[in-house]
Amino acid sequence: EDQVTQSPEALRLQEGESSSLNCSYTVSGLRGLFWYRQDPGKGPEFLFTLYSAGEEKEKERLKATLTKKESFLHITAPKPEDSATYLCAVQLFSSGSARQLTFGSGTQLTVLP
Amino acid sequence: DGGITQSPKYLFRKEGQNVTLSCEQNLNHDAMYWYRQDPGQGLRLIYYSQIVNDFQKGDIAEGYSVSREKKESFPLTVTSAQKNPTAFYLCASSMGQGLRDTQYFGPGTRLTVL
Repeated sequence: EDQVTQSPEALRLQEGESSSLNCSYTVSGLRGLFWYRQDPGKGPEFLFTLYSAGEEKEKERLKATLTKKESFLHITAPKPEDSATYLCAVQLFSSGSARQLTFGSGTQLTVLP
Repeated sequence: DGGITQSPKYLFRKEGQNVTLSCEQNLNHDAMYWYRQDPGQGLRLIYYSQIVNDFQKGDIAEGYSVSREKKESFPLTVTSAQKNPTAFYLCASSMGQGLRDTQYFGPGTRLTVL
């Protein structure tokens, strides 16, 4: 069964304290791995897509990396406004033209001032 | 501004009632999706549509129905057959073609059964 597991479930950081969020997957035929940010009561906001092992993408304080079994979202010198739930999702070649996403349950990040 | 709108933001339903959630997009996207989000769980796919007048069941379609009469619109009806409808409902859309296809989400509708 295809699975996406995110860890930790919750993470509290002091402002400026860098860390990483993990998304591990056991799937066959990864087409793409997606990272989203979700604020309370709002829809997910797209951050990155990674398509092949070794690929990296950056946006401000965030950097996403991908291996054959997992992805990391590195947060460098976080600020309180980075507090949110970060969602990971995979898209498989087996979904064909449907392109549906399978989501992990998310990591709730809190950055304290 | 291009984007996805969902209405209403909050919806309250009595037992036995059907309710319809609205989703509209002006991104000229072919594909549209409905997801359900429950606390502590990942988003789960209810229905998706790749083209007008065509839609497919997702993983948890029981108790839900959809229509796709216009490219811009993909309303979701939560029927009385849905046993536990209280949840946060998210609509998404994507180009629906090409190797690299990203789904963008609307702001969500929170449904509460009274």
